[in-house]
Amino acid sequence: ETGVTQTPRHLVMGMTNKKSLKCEQHLGHNAMYWYKQSAKKPLELMFVYNFKEQTENNSVPSRFSPECPNSSHLFLHLHTLQPEDSALYLCASSQEGTSGPYEQYFGPGTRLTVT
Amino acid sequence: GQNIDQPTEMTATEGAIVQINCTYQTSGFNGLFWYQQHAGEAPTFLSYNVLDGLEEKGRFSSFLSRSKGYSYLLLKELQMKDSASYLCAVLDSNYQLIWGAGTKLIIKP
Repeated sequence: ETGVTQTPRHLVMGMTNKKSLKCEQHLGHNAMYWYKQSAKKPLELMFVYNFKEQTENNSVPSRFSPECPNSSHLFLHLHTLQPEDSALYLCASSQEGTSGPYEQYFGPGTRLTVT
Repeated sequence: GQNIDQPTEMTATEGAIVQINCTYQTSGFNGLFWYQQHAGEAPTFLSYNVLDGLEEKGRFSSFLSRSKGYSYLLLKELQMKDSASYLCAVLDSNYQLIWGAGTKLIIKP
């Protein structure tokens, strides 16, 4: 149990659907992240929220839309996805402090398949 | 550009020792992480090195040489449950994590 939960664990959606991924952290951290993990590729950082403010958006297509209503919850809204968006989507959290970042704690991920 | 290199796959025998290497070229350096990821599960933190040298934690040790842009993860007394992917990640000058593609470690009886 890592203290970071994600739902759903698996999702199959058509290209015209709209769905949302949810992440919740129970660790009292102040930063949350969305990553995309494709087979045999490095983790791709998509979005970073620090104290609920988005601080990173690494050229992610607009069909991915993040939302961070509070420091414990993070959403990734999906619409009109493409088959190449099929991947494992990981949420992570960490405690950012004045002495520098700490290790990130990951959720189990959502396995997304776009048909 | 920023780059992390690690072998794609390694095979080792139960009870043996294996060393997984990681080399990096990044804009600045604020530490190096190793994570373990079992198939279908979340990556979990193993170690963090920011100074040169060896950090030992039970059966696992991690080494760093900043001048060479090099790290390794050493796993001793291998067990079947150590079969997993091992991810190397470097914190760059902007405190952004740059990830390697991971090394899949296969343990054979």
